[in-house]
Amino acid sequence: QKEVEQDPGPLSVPEGAIVSLNCTYSNSAFQYFMWYRQYSRKGPELLMYTYSSGNKEDGRFTAQVDKSSKYISLFIRDSQPSDSATYLCAIRGNDYKLSFGAGTTVTVRA
Amino acid sequence: DAGVIQSPRHEVTEMGQEVTLRCKPISGHDYLFWYRQTMMRGLELLIYFNNNVPIDDSGMPEDRFSAKMPNASFSTLKIQPSEPRDSAVYFCASRPAAAGNTIYFGEGSWLTVV
Repeated sequence: QKEVEQDPGPLSVPEGAIVSLNCTYSNSAFQYFMWYRQYSRKGPELLMYTYSSGNKEDGRFTAQVDKSSKYISLFIRDSQPSDSATYLCAIRGNDYKLSFGAGTTVTVRA
Repeated sequence: DAGVIQSPRHEVTEMGQEVTLRCKPISGHDYLFWYRQTMMRGLELLIYFNNNVPIDDSGMPEDRFSAKMPNASFSTLKIQPSEPRDSAVYFCASRPAAAGNTIYFGEGSWLTVV
């Protein structure tokens, strides 16, 4: 079993829709939860991170963590064509090694 | 800031040949990571260094793969001999000691072994 499971999609939504992305993880020792965004033919870049259960907002993006269920989510409100990318969840414990999900490819149609 | 610089960006090589991928991390970053990304397996950590010392190479798939970091501004990932199943995008990434969650990726080296 992989440490982090993520539905690879792909996901296609109309502009302005809410995008919902999810990951589950298996090891309760993981403490830090991140979302990376990867544009086509580019390296991933950090979008958001959190280390506690609950919600964290950054503009149109909301990261949600439920440690009891080992479930993390990313919501994108008012999605834009420029949000079209692959989104990867990532988690880590105290050893600085990140475990990535498979990535979900999102296309926002204008 | 120039970011993490990788070379070559693209390489096509024949099975059995040696491949060397190069990375220049961001100046001042203490950690350097090598990742491999494929459709089947996603993004996998191969090895990481702290202050030029390899800390964890458990992700290196087999002895054909080796990585070095002779100084703080340069690292190489070598595959010898290469095989078609090594075809992937190889990312180098770096981060400073203080930023545990923010690692900065290069744009990747796209390797095709035929």
